[in-house]
Amino acid sequence: AQRVTQPEKLLSVFKGAPVELKCNYSYSGSPELFWYVQYSRQRLQLLLRHISRESIKGFTADLNKGETSFHLKKPFAQEEDSAMYYCALSDGGGGNKLTFGTGTQLKVEL
Amino acid sequence: GAVVSQHPSRVICKSGTSVKIECRSLDFQATTMFWYRQFPKKSLMLMATSNEGSKATYEQGVEKDKFLINHASLTLSTLTVTSAHPEDSSFYICSAMTTNTGELFFGEGSRLTVL
Repeated sequence: AQRVTQPEKLLSVFKGAPVELKCNYSYSGSPELFWYVQYSRQRLQLLLRHISRESIKGFTADLNKGETSFHLKKPFAQEEDSAMYYCALSDGGGGNKLTFGTGTQLKVEL
Repeated sequence: GAVVSQHPSRVICKSGTSVKIECRSLDFQATTMFWYRQFPKKSLMLMATSNEGSKATYEQGVEKDKFLINHASLTLSTLTVTSAHPEDSSFYICSAMTTNTGELFFGEGSRLTVL
């Protein structure tokens, strides 16, 4: 069974500080990993996916198959980054059936 | 970007009644939609996969007779909570997958409160 673990429920950083939101997964096959973000009073939206290997809003995430991790990083946090972040895994079967982590609330303080 | 709309956003009903929640893809066609349930401070739990023109595929532990899903068109899927009870109170979220890119777009969610 696939599983996504986000160990931190809340992460509080100061503006300009580096951010790392942790995500670990367990899956026997070749997963596709995603990060979704939910800003206050808004719907869930895709932030980035590992196959794209792109940086969105300054965020990057590298899939580490050895450590089964997909941590989300940003070198300098901005106040507008405050949101709920969900790591998600798809079995890659093309059906896009997602397994979500429990989410991490990022709070960027001035 | 693509928009997915859920209606109603909030609903309060009496125990024993049925409630229907709609999920519409407003500017794209979606052969596949997904229904999730989210408890307070918990993750989104996939309930079922809704496929246009065929029966929904339910996740283990989800009662298909309790949560009826209909996907009659390429832009609309409905979730009906039948004979609702207080334990069904939750936040229900749908997502729709674009047929061309396979990207998922989420609705704003529907909060169900059963009294």
